[in-house]
Amino acid sequence: TQLLEQSPQFLSIQEGENLTVYCNSSSVFSSLQWYRQEPGEGPVLLVTVVTGGEVKKLKRLTFQFGDARKDSSLHITAAQPGDTGLYLCAGGTVEYTGTASKLTFGTGTRLQVTL
Amino acid sequence: GAVVSQHPSWVICKSGTSVKIECRSLDFQATTMFWYRQFPKQSLMLMATSNEGSKATYEQGVEKDKFLINHASLTLSTLTVTSAHPEDSSFYICSAQITRQTYGYTFGSGTRLTVV
Repeated sequence: TQLLEQSPQFLSIQEGENLTVYCNSSSVFSSLQWYRQEPGEGPVLLVTVVTGGEVKKLKRLTFQFGDARKDSSLHITAAQPGDTGLYLCAGGTVEYTGTASKLTFGTGTRLQVTL
Repeated sequence: GAVVSQHPSWVICKSGTSVKIECRSLDFQATTMFWYRQFPKQSLMLMATSNEGSKATYEQGVEKDKFLINHASLTLSTLTVTSAHPEDSSFYICSAQITRQTYGYTFGSGTRLTVV
């Protein structure tokens, strides 16, 4: 069974602070996705990384895929209240047909950014 | 972009009754859809993978007879919670794999089921 452990589980910070969320596994994934979920809604995709060592930036968010494709991190610079939400990493594998298989979601990190 | 419409958004039902949740791909054909369950303040747990025209593949520990999945067309998958009990109360989310995008997934907005 593939497991993705996220840390921390919960983070409460003030506006303007920086933070990093980690996503670790003992399994290798073909891709690693990060989602943000608001209460009562489905997850919304933030980024997909597929190459070991890959770094992607999305405004104040920086995502990195580990060299061995077993772990990933999400760094937020100068957090804002609008960043509040549940952050989920999800690992995917690719079937022999070339299509993606099911996603395995991480344990989740709940971020709260206050003024 | 690819959109998945999930209905209803919320439903309250009595113990012993069945509830059907629909998941439709609006502007693309979804050969594969996934059904997740999410408990409060927890992550998403995959329940089953449904493929159009074939039987769903259930994850270990998920009761096939309780959670009936039908994927009869390329745009519609349904999850029926049969003989619902209070412990089935949860947030159910569907997801569709976007055709020709190796890593493309799009999620429904979820259904809050409360069994009383």
